[in-house]
Amino acid sequence: AQTVTQSQPEMSVQEAETVTLSCTYDTSESDYYLFWYKQPPSRQMILVIRQEAYKQQNATENRFSVNFQKAAKSFSLKISDSQLGDAAMYFCAYLTSGTYKYIFGTGTRLKVLA
Amino acid sequence: KAGVTQTPRYLIKTRGQQVTLSCSPISGHRSVSWYQQTPGQGLQFLFEYFSETQRNKGNFPGRFSGRQFSNSRSEMNVSTLELGDSALYLCASSAGTVRGNEQFFGPGTRLTVL
Repeated sequence: AQTVTQSQPEMSVQEAETVTLSCTYDTSESDYYLFWYKQPPSRQMILVIRQEAYKQQNATENRFSVNFQKAAKSFSLKISDSQLGDAAMYFCAYLTSGTYKYIFGTGTRLKVLA
Repeated sequence: KAGVTQTPRYLIKTRGQQVTLSCSPISGHRSVSWYQQTPGQGLQFLFEYFSETQRNKGNFPGRFSGRQFSNSRSEMNVSTLELGDSALYLCASSAGTVRGNEQFFGPGTRLTVL
């Protein structure tokens, strides 16, 4: 069975600095999707970034980028120029091959210090 | 477009009771997924419905059930509530026709079992 591990329960970053959140996953599949979702305090979860496993190029969305290492089964999220509004729970998620079943990690709480 | 809505937002029940939660997806979305979110466990996938059919199922006991109506609205039912069922229950909608499509989450229903 596939698993997703986020080993950092909590991270802190100074405003305007860069932070990297880690995510590793375990799978024997070759075709899958990976996601980072953001859940701000008392607000709805939103998609930050998505990566298709067959694409070698790392996905980028403005200040958010990923480092996708397929062989190492690693999918880290880099947030550049951190802003106060980036403070949230961040969840890494895996979409299994051929299904619409998502597997989420336990989350990393990101604090942004002014 | 209106976002994903969930009702009620808060519920307090006692052990042994049953509860029904409702989710209205974004207009045009045919897929609705349900998740249980607890501290330290992240999001656990319950099930996913597409066009009134359960397409994917997580590893939850039979006390957890769901259904989807012809207008894509979905309900989740939990029978014989246990203390451990206390959680935030999230639903997410997507078009559901292409894997990897963005999921849009609702605000959740906070269930407390006493």
